Amino acid sequence: SQQGEEDPQALSIQEGENATMNCSYKTSINNLQWYRQNSGRGLVHLILIRSNEREKHSGRLRVTLDTSKKSSSLLITASRAADTASYFCAVFTGGGNKLTFGTGTQLKVEL
Amino acid sequence: DGGITQSPKYLFRKEGQNVTLSCEQNLNHDAMYWYRQDPGQGLRLIYYSQIVNDFQKGDIAEGYSVSREKKESFPLTVTSAQKNPTAFYLCASSSLRPRDRGGETQYFGPGTRLLVL
Repeated sequence: SQQGEEDPQALSIQEGENATMNCSYKTSINNLQWYRQNSGRGLVHLILIRSNEREKHSGRLRVTLDTSKKSSSLLITASRAADTASYFCAVFTGGGNKLTFGTGTQLKVEL
Repeated sequence: DGGITQSPKYLFRKEGQNVTLSCEQNLNHDAMYWYRQDPGQGLRLIYYSQIVNDFQKGDIAEGYSVSREKKESFPLTVTSAQKNPTAFYLCASSSLRPRDRGGETQYFGPGTRLLVL
């Protein structure tokens, strides 16, 4: 079963703008991860935030986690056309060392 | 180059045929995973393995089989029992190092697209 639900399903912005995508999940987690997928390719890990962390930064990426609301957000600042991709959240609950992926947000950054 | 390789990139299956998708990693990772991705959707776990000669079913194992005879290799067979096999198949691996070192992060191969003739 897919635990993560992402919002919006699709997002179109202009280059230079910020992009925010959200992820909600259902159970207690050990950590939450964000991955990026370019069309027709494999996924690439972007950032991991643990359940005892509230915010994390990596370059132009900012991730927040609210365990009381069971939600996370990914912010990409100063977006570029090369950021065009699908972005997935995935939750790690510890059991079986598995990740459960969300449905993804398709981001399009236009010049 | 360290990484995960999947072959072939495209695979065509005829009715009633079993086909095998290859996944190899040289990252010395203990765990390996197979996912299925349908158009516009997220990833669903088919099978996973945390150690050689052992594997567990994921959420959608019916119609699929795997083996883990070597640490580096985790082939997936799509059997004739899988009635709707057309999808993008992704293999991943992770180290399972102690969790404070990010061992839960998964590394993905480039995928195999399976089409039915």
